[in-house]
This record gives sequence, C-alpha cells and structure tokens, in this order.
Amino acid sequence: AQSVTQLDSHVSVSEGTPVLLRCNYSSSYSPSLFWYVQHPNKGLQLLLKYTSAATLVKGINGFEAEFKKSETSFHLTKPSAHMSDAAEYFCVVIPYNQGGKLIFGQGTELSVKP
Amino acid sequence: EAGVAQSPRYKIIEKRQSVAFWCNPISGHATLYWYQQILGQGPKLLIQFQNNGVVDDSQLPKDRFSAERLKGVDSTLKIQPAKLEDSAVYLCASSFPDRVGEQYFGPGTRLTVT
Repeated sequence: AQSVTQLDSHVSVSEGTPVLLRCNYSSSYSPSLFWYVQHPNKGLQLLLKYTSAATLVKGINGFEAEFKKSETSFHLTKPSAHMSDAAEYFCVVIPYNQGGKLIFGQGTELSVKP
Repeated sequence: EAGVAQSPRYKIIEKRQSVAFWCNPISGHATLYWYQQILGQGPKLLIQFQNNGVVDDSQLPKDRFSAERLKGVDSTLKIQPAKLEDSAVYLCASSFPDRVGEQYFGPGTRLTVT
C-alpha cells in the first residue's frame, strides 16, 4: 500500500533560520505528492504539489520541495523561517489509480521562535 | 471567491446521541470529500462524492455513519449513534474532478462525544 512517513512529529527553529520538514514515501509507482499546511483554527491549505514534472517544486510562501526517487523522499524546505510559518504540515500522497483519495502523513508541527 | 463552508463549528453530544454536519463546497467543484481528523493524526478520508454519486466510501463506518449529497452541491454527514471514539474534527473539502490533489478544505467541525 502506498503511504508517507513524516520523520519528525515536531520541529522547532528560530526566526530567520532554514526549515527542513522530512517526508519519505512508499510507492511501487511514480506517485503524486503534496504538502498541505494547517494553521490553528484554519482549514488545510495546499502548499505545493509534485506530479512527475520538475523534481524541484516551488510552492507558496517561499516553500519548496524536492522529489528524490533514489531516496524515496519529498522533503519540504524554506531558506528563512517566519513567525507566521508556525503550523502543522502534512505530507500527502495520492495512491496510484485511486482517484482523489489523499493519504496523509501523521503531520509535523513547526514552531518558530523569535 | 467564497471558500468551503461548514457548520456547526463545534458540537458536544453524549454517546449514543445523533449528530449531523453540513458542508457547502466551492461553487463549480463537482467533487466533495468528508475527512475525519483525530487529534494528533492526519485526516482520513471517509467518503468522496462526484456530483451526487459516491466514488469511495470504503473507510466510512456504515453501521453508524451516513452521508448524502442529494442535489450535487451541499452535503450532510450524520453519525447515529455516536461513540466516544468519534470525537474528532470532521473536515469537508472540494475540488474540480480533474484536480483531485488540489483540494480546498473548510474550517472543520470539532465534535466532542462525552
């Protein structure tokens, strides 16, 4: 079965320092991968998506992710954290041939210290 | 454009009672989803509609959960009777049929079963 594993349940960074949120996927096929963000008391929002085009994907708010097939990874990065980036981040996969069924990882809570 | 609307935002009921949630998707989105998000976990798909037809309800506990989308727009999700383990946030999302990875989420309904 296709799935994603988020390697850290909580990441804490200082404002202005880089962010790295790690995600590994398991898939027999070339997957469709996404990152979603959930701010407190707000709905989930799509950050970026990978659908077998460019391996480096740019998203909103300065985030980007790189698809590495050899490492089965899709890590989310941002060069410089902002206080407003504090939120829960979910790595998501759409299993092959299963329509719109998003499979969410467990989530990584990002804290940003002043 | 208006986002996905959900009501109520919060609900507290006793076990064995019934409860219903309502969702109004983004205009023009033929595909509608209901997710259950238990505290500390990623959302889990309960049911997916395409217009007023069910595409996937494989993870819906059909002995107690039901959902409908009669006119292909609004949807309701019902739980009857509720159990303690149903305490969660219930998320509604919608998308265009050809962009199922790009889902727009509502703010959710937080259900507490006592």
